[in-house]
Amino acid sequence: GENVEQHPSTLSVQEGDSAVIKCTYSDSASNYFPWYKQELGKRPQLIIDIRSNVGEKKDQRIAVTLNKTAKHFSLHITETQPEDSAVYFCAASRPGRGSNYQLIWGAGTKLIIKP
Amino acid sequence: DSGVTQTPKHLITATGQRVTLRCSPRSGDLSVYWYQQSLDQGLQFLIQYYNGEERAKGNILERFSAQQFPDLHSELNLSSLELGDSALYFCASSAGQGLAGNTIYFGEGSWLTVV
Repeated sequence: GENVEQHPSTLSVQEGDSAVIKCTYSDSASNYFPWYKQELGKRPQLIIDIRSNVGEKKDQRIAVTLNKTAKHFSLHITETQPEDSAVYFCAASRPGRGSNYQLIWGAGTKLIIKP
Repeated sequence: DSGVTQTPKHLITATGQRVTLRCSPRSGDLSVYWYQQSLDQGLQFLIQYYNGEERAKGNILERFSAQQFPDLHSELNLSSLELGDSALYFCASSAGQGLAGNTIYFGEGSWLTVV
């Protein structure tokens, strides 16, 4: 079945620097790739997503890139700020039973922004 | 506020007991998902319902069961509880039957502590 690998598990960057988190997926039928941010003790929240017909999407300091050939997608955060400290989860949506699509989740990356 | 409501927010119970977690999806959402998140762990998908029917099953233990009612709210029943069941249980909802690209929205979670 589908497997989503996420790297690194922990990422520590200096405030103001950029952070990049990478995910690879195995099912070429996957066509939707969201990223969620989870602050400590809180619910995961969608921060950006990308569909398979698009190679890149940007929203202010956050961008996601998708390489369908290589089956990997990445989250880029520029000019990191203390409030970016959180756990980030990637996911890939693949066809499941019938017309149902399932989200397969990465293991998460703990991003630490050092002052 | 995601619009997904979970109760109770916190629950402490003894081993061997049974508890029920309740979830009300966002208005209009037909799909409900249940996830388990142990301390410092990722999101473990348990089960998905769409309009009252089970749509997908993850790593849900036989001691756990769920259902979605005609008014679309859902309940997750956890029985014969063990210490290892202590976790944050999230409910999430989405508009469709898990169609690709449907954003899922998480509730605040129910913290379960088994003592």
